[in-house]
Amino acid sequence: QSALTQPPSASGSPGQSVTISCTGTSSDVGGYNYVSWYQQHPGNAPKLMIYQVSKRPSGVPDRFSGSKSGNTASLTVSGLQAEDEADYYCNSYAGSNNLVFGGGTKLTVL
Amino acid sequence: QVQLQESGPGLVKPSETLFLTCAVSGYSISSGYYWGWIRQPPGKGLEWIGSIYHSGSTYYNPSLKSRVTISVDTSKNQFSLKLSSVTAADTALYYCARHNQAWWFFDLWGRGTLVTVSS
Repeated sequence: QSALTQPPSASGSPGQSVTISCTGTSSDVGGYNYVSWYQQHPGNAPKLMIYQVSKRPSGVPDRFSGSKSGNTASLTVSGLQAEDEADYYCNSYAGSNNLVFGGGTKLTVL
Repeated sequence: QVQLQESGPGLVKPSETLFLTCAVSGYSISSGYYWGWIRQPPGKGLEWIGSIYHSGSTYYNPSLKSRVTISVDTSKNQFSLKLSSVTAADTALYYCARHNQAWWFFDLWGRGTLVTVSS
């Protein structure tokens, strides 16, 4: 199966909003509401930020939100802070007990 | 507090078998959840390898299925990964994680262990 498509990079100034896309197909992103997002700071393990397209685990700031339209899911970070600078990965259920990740997006806070 | 800790050799020779173990503390594997392995080649993205339930039921990434075996030892509260016939392309940081199989996400991760394939 192919990895989900994410832009390699995204950036924004402190206080601004940034949206990262995650494009798949009707067999994965478009077919199920099982999209999740992870934040990974250098040298650290990934951290779950969003699951089931738009739900936030306890402890994740409400500045992070998720959505989906058709075959594309999106992660929006509002009110950017310096600590949000990290790599972000999406993943989606792809049917037949299979899961696929996106290639990752490096978010830079200018 | 639930914690996961990967362990295993940091260096494996080409064509040999990679073997890693993930010890879980603060939660009984037998209580539920699937438990998974994910890897990340240096400087690259994440790749799901596979997941296992305490009963032994497994799901594998189709692209790796022919070389992967994941097993569980509930008496030791740990699960393991075997990857056979390794090549340099298998060099990666290997993570274990708790897998919410109902909604297909990973909510808790280990710190990861680097495995290098080299002669």
